[in-house]
Amino acid sequence: DVKVTQSSRYLVKRTGEKVFLECVQDMDHENMFWYRQDPGLGLRLIYFSYDVKMKEKGDIPEGYSVSREKKERFSLILESASTNQTSMYLCASSHGGTNEKLFFGSGTQLSVL
Amino acid sequence: QQQVKQSPQSLIVQKGGISIINCAYENTAFDYFPWYQQFPGKGPALLIAIRPDVSEKKEGRFTISFNKSAKQFSLHIMDSQPGDSATYFCAASKGRGNKLTFGTGTQLKVEL
Repeated sequence: DVKVTQSSRYLVKRTGEKVFLECVQDMDHENMFWYRQDPGLGLRLIYFSYDVKMKEKGDIPEGYSVSREKKERFSLILESASTNQTSMYLCASSHGGTNEKLFFGSGTQLSVL
Repeated sequence: QQQVKQSPQSLIVQKGGISIINCAYENTAFDYFPWYQQFPGKGPALLIAIRPDVSEKKEGRFTISFNKSAKQFSLHIMDSQPGDSATYFCAASKGRGNKLTFGTGTQLKVEL
């Protein structure tokens, strides 16, 4: 089975801290994605990557950056955490191509105080 | 800008009943429409998907109905069971890359 592993299930940080959320997939997928999930807003795409060292902005990239130095690892970075970034963060991966299934991790619940 | 609108936000159905969740989209370039199911504490998982060249797709108790002219699609869960209680997300994408735009989600509860 495909496994997408997110490094932390729960994370509590202070306003202004730099935060790293890590995601690793074990199926050699080309595509990786970061979404945030908020009640009533669904899942919104922050950043995605179709290849190593490649990144593209999603619908809500402000306040975030990403890094993909290895194919299996995709990191989300909050340069200076703010309270409005308190959310559930979901990482996903898929094969390259069209209409491929996304495999999601279990999520990281980030609270910024 | 909400490109995929989903309703209702929550739904309570009796065991054995039919659950219906509706979605509407705006971008006519969308060409792939999946539904994802999410249980508490887990990430979403693909349930069923459809392309716009067919009007219906059925997999077991789950059916997607697709109306291209109305730009709407819906999920029907027949003989709903308590184990179907979860949050359901519709989504849409276009072209290569699997970049999905999700709806806002429907929390389904199936009561005994």
